[in-house]
Amino acid sequence: EAQVTQNPRYLITVTGKKLTVTCSQNMNHEYMSWYRQDPGLGLRQIYYSMNVEVTDKGDVPEGYKVSRKEKRNFPLILESPSPNQTSLYFCASSRPVWLAGTDTQYFGPGTRLTVL
Amino acid sequence: DQQVKQNSPSLSVQEGRISILNCDYTNSMFDYFLWYKKYPAEGPTFLISISSIKDKNEDGRFTVFLNKSAKHLSLHIVPSQPGDSAVYFCAASAGNSGYALNFGKGTSLLVTP
Repeated sequence: EAQVTQNPRYLITVTGKKLTVTCSQNMNHEYMSWYRQDPGLGLRQIYYSMNVEVTDKGDVPEGYKVSRKEKRNFPLILESPSPNQTSLYFCASSRPVWLAGTDTQYFGPGTRLTVL
Repeated sequence: DQQVKQNSPSLSVQEGRISILNCDYTNSMFDYFLWYKKYPAEGPTFLISISSIKDKNEDGRFTVFLNKSAKHLSLHIVPSQPGDSAVYFCAASAGNSGYALNFGKGTSLLVTP
């Protein structure tokens, strides 16, 4: 089954304790992204990756790191989490439009993070 | 600065009637528009899209209309069903980026029996 998986689905942590949220896709997609969803703000892009070893900042990158060492994985790293990073996080993947004929992104189920 | 705006946070419609969800955008470079549907505790799922070279795209009960001059698009659901109750996000991209979608804040649709 084609899917994007994220782990963990729920996480409660404390300020300053480094954490990683994993994301994996089995569709051989070139593009991957991380979004956060906050009440009243919709979905905002944190980072994206166009391919292995190619990453760039989205709209709200502060406090986050990413890496893309393999095509299927795109982990999100919070080196020193703070309470304002409490949010619902989504990973997404897609193919270039010239390959897929569409801009459709496929989303994971989400990770609800609480930073105390 | 929000480039994609959904000004109605919520909408309530009776089953069988038409649901109309609206979306406005400010960036004239946007050339591809999508609607996503999101249920609680799930990720957004793609619903329907439209390219800027078209003004209408239809898929079953769902139709998206694009008015480029007004920088406005709308999603029509006819007839509405209780299972359509979800949050609907409008999204747009520029230059066939495929990786950078600009999302609206979402509209929560409730379809009542």
